[in-house]
Amino acid sequence: GAVVSQHPSWVICKSGTSVKIECRSLDFQATTMFWYRQFPKQSLMLMATSNEGSKATYEQGVEKDKFLINHASLTLSTLTVTSAHPEDSSFYICSARTARQGALETQYFGPGTRLLVL
Amino acid sequence: AQKVTQAQTEISVVEKEDVTLDCVYETRDTTYYLFWYKQPPSGELVFLIRRNSFDEQNEISGRYSWNFQKSTSSFNFTITASQVVDSAVYFCALSKNSGYSTLTFGKGTMLLVSP
Repeated sequence: GAVVSQHPSWVICKSGTSVKIECRSLDFQATTMFWYRQFPKQSLMLMATSNEGSKATYEQGVEKDKFLINHASLTLSTLTVTSAHPEDSSFYICSARTARQGALETQYFGPGTRLLVL
Repeated sequence: AQKVTQAQTEISVVEKEDVTLDCVYETRDTTYYLFWYKQPPSGELVFLIRRNSFDEQNEISGRYSWNFQKSTSSFNFTITASQVVDSAVYFCALSKNSGYSTLTFGKGTMLLVSP
């Protein structure tokens, strides 16, 4: 089946630094990728929708200057947490959507990236 | 606005017991899709099922079964003869239109199956 990877899987950084998380669709082209954030023991909250070649659409309450999203190719989207602070510590999950001919579009989730900001 | 409610925060059962996870949804769309995902401790979401709003047939897949009741806006998930490996957080989710537009997740139900 289709695979979505995320890198890194774990990152620990100091407060004030920026962290980039990559989301790749390994065997399909993803016109749309989604970025979610999940705090411990809570649900997934959609942060933004990323379409290849265009600006991301952010959900209400998500700072676009804080969470920079780039979807430069059909297989790669990146999320950069700028000037990270401890409250940004979370589990970040991406998903990629593909449209397959003759079938309903399908969305696949990456394994997630755990971010800890000290 | 769409909303998914999973009223059960945590359920504990002993192996081989049957368990039902509840999911109630709200939407104004006439066409929508419902999902269940499993999130084991590793964190990766595992897709379990997708059901569209026009198909109210119940579905069974091995030990898993789903009961879709449009009249009560519910999409409950039953695990028969639970196993320790079923321990995970289970999320119910809702999307509109094509099925993979924005997903609205419930808060999840943590299932603990003890030996």
